[in-house]
Amino acid sequence: QVQLVQSGAEVKKPGASVNVSCKTSGYTFTAYYMHWVRQAPGQGLEWMGRINPNSGGTNYAQKFQGRVTMTRDTSISTAYMELSGLRYDDTAVFYCATVTMDDALKWGQGTLVTVSS
Amino acid sequence: SYELTQPPSVSVSPGRTASIPCSGDKLGDKFIFWYLQKPGQSPVLVIYQDTKRPSGIPERFSGSNSGNTATLTISGTQAMDEADYYCQAWDSSTAVFGGGTKLTVL
Repeated sequence: QVQLVQSGAEVKKPGASVNVSCKTSGYTFTAYYMHWVRQAPGQGLEWMGRINPNSGGTNYAQKFQGRVTMTRDTSISTAYMELSGLRYDDTAVFYCATVTMDDALKWGQGTLVTVSS
Repeated sequence: SYELTQPPSVSVSPGRTASIPCSGDKLGDKFIFWYLQKPGQSPVLVIYQDTKRPSGIPERFSGSNSGNTATLTISGTQAMDEADYYCQAWDSSTAVFGGGTKLTVL
């Protein structure tokens, strides 16, 4: 079955960058877009952007333009999301989610990123 | 940009029917997806393409979508259904989420 396994929790200082990985299995990695979603503590789901694992092409939400970079390594079926210039309000759980055949989202387990001095 | 609106909270008594609305401009022209999220867990799909239930989701979950409003209905609500519920639609390949509704079963 489809599985998305994300990297572990991170603690970063303000201004630093964080790189979250999302290793996939159970489906053809290059066949479906990978999306990234942020959820701040006690808040809702916020779409950050997506990557086409086949071409590497990306689309980012305007809010994150210039700070987020999404990449992939097709040899290991893994997607990555890097967020730079971290601020305290970037403290959140970051999810990768792939689109299924029915256009629904299948989610990873989430990665908590804490920004703290 | 496209927006989806949900009420912050809905309360229901055990065994009764809960309805969670999600509104957006001409929402009926789009497919709606519903996700359940319990504390500390990832979202889980409960309804896709307006009315369809994934395997493993109880029959008490159903959905509808027409005009400007989609509705998630939970019949015979159980205590285990207490969670946050999010509606989601696609707009120009962007995933748009409602703000979420906290369902309280009391």
